[in-house]
Amino acid sequence: AQRVTQPEKLLSVFKGAPVELKCNYSYSGSPELFWYVQYSRQRLQLLLRHISRESIKGFTADLNKGETSFHLKKPFAQEEDSAMYYCALSPRFNQAGTALIFGKGTTLSVSS
Amino acid sequence: SQTIHQWPATLVQPVGSPLSLECTVEGTSNPNLYWYRQAAGRGLQLLFYSVGIGQISSEVPQNLSASRPQDRQFILSSKKLLLSDSGFYLCAWSVAGTSGKETQYFGPGTRLLVL
Repeated sequence: AQRVTQPEKLLSVFKGAPVELKCNYSYSGSPELFWYVQYSRQRLQLLLRHISRESIKGFTADLNKGETSFHLKKPFAQEEDSAMYYCALSPRFNQAGTALIFGKGTTLSVSS
Repeated sequence: SQTIHQWPATLVQPVGSPLSLECTVEGTSNPNLYWYRQAAGRGLQLLFYSVGIGQISSEVPQNLSASRPQDRQFILSSKKLLLSDSGFYLCAWSVAGTSGKETQYFGPGTRLLVL
């Protein structure tokens, strides 16, 4: 079955501390993985996707096929990083109308 | 630039009443369109997606339905709401004809409370 698991509902860290938001997936094919973020009173929006191998706002995520993980990391958390983070998997690779399978989300709270 | 609108923003409806939520996209043609529901503690669940006018795919059996009467209009409906239909409904779009790499862009959402 296709599934995305985010084991932590809430992650609280201090400003300047490293952050790792965990994401594990279950998918038999070649996955496309994304991280979406929703800041307070803003729309859900794409943060990054693994195919781009990019770093956005200091966040990076590496796809580990052996561990079926796509953890989101940032070396030094900032207060403005506080938000809800969703890991998502695209199960219909190379097909139109591809929809996303989301995890349940992790709330990141960064305090000073 | 492309924009996506949803209305209403908030809706309180009695059990058994009908529902119609609307989503429209501007600035793009023939988008892929999606309806998701976010229920408390359950993450985001795909309900329907559409690759063109009149083409609807349902992901989860339920008492909801979707229609796409125009290229950039996507409607979520119900004839009789259930308490379990309460939640936050998100509409999203993506560029048509691309692979699973495409980004999805989300609307502001509609919060539905069924009493």
